[in-house]
Amino acid sequence: GESVGLHLPTLSVQEGDNSIINCAYSNSASDYFIWYKQESGKGPQFIIDIRSNMDKRQGQRVTVLLNKTVKHLSLQIAATQPGDSAVYFCAETSMDSNYQLIWGAGTKLIIKP
Amino acid sequence: EAQVTQNPRYLITVTGKKLTVTCSQNMNHEYMSWYRQDPGLGLRQIYYSMNVEVTDKGDVPEGYKVSRKEKRNFPLILESPSPNQTSLYFCASSLSRGPYEQYFGPGTRLTVT
Repeated sequence: GESVGLHLPTLSVQEGDNSIINCAYSNSASDYFIWYKQESGKGPQFIIDIRSNMDKRQGQRVTVLLNKTVKHLSLQIAATQPGDSAVYFCAETSMDSNYQLIWGAGTKLIIKP
Repeated sequence: EAQVTQNPRYLITVTGKKLTVTCSQNMNHEYMSWYRQDPGLGLRQIYYSMNVEVTDKGDVPEGYKVSRKEKRNFPLILESPSPNQTSLYFCASSLSRGPYEQYFGPGTRLTVT
């Protein structure tokens, strides 16, 4: 994931709408990608993962899309709820790096009532 | 309940006073790791352990020590804390180092004055 400096990118979404959180990853050799959710005052929590041999993976209300051509990862959250308010991190890793995780700086998702 | 626990959750200390942050997991995970989280910088790995008595440096190991005498415990030691170690610390564990989900503890907020 790319670092965006001291200011955390923020996405404001109306409750009930779909959210799309984007992440540009850095290593073309990365073969495993993960999205984590961090609520205020808590540790990161696993949401969904995807391997590089896939373009799309769906979970419950969440979908991860992987575009290896442009090294882009996105997390889509359907019908966003107040409980989705959190900071979302993407992370990448590869067998080449002995699976050391490279973390993005995070995106803060704000849900408007 | 499967979990990673950390203690203390909050700690205020003075420069140079040795401290230990404990971490314990009840999932029989081989891999454990310590991260620090600073605004806008995402998560940075301090140290990790592949198994008992096997530890290695992460991206920011200076000023920290760890030990892994038992599979479940992975304490973080700051022998002479300095103000630049003021941060939010997370312990994490996973089945093994590899493309696996990491489980995070609730975090320890450390302030060094």
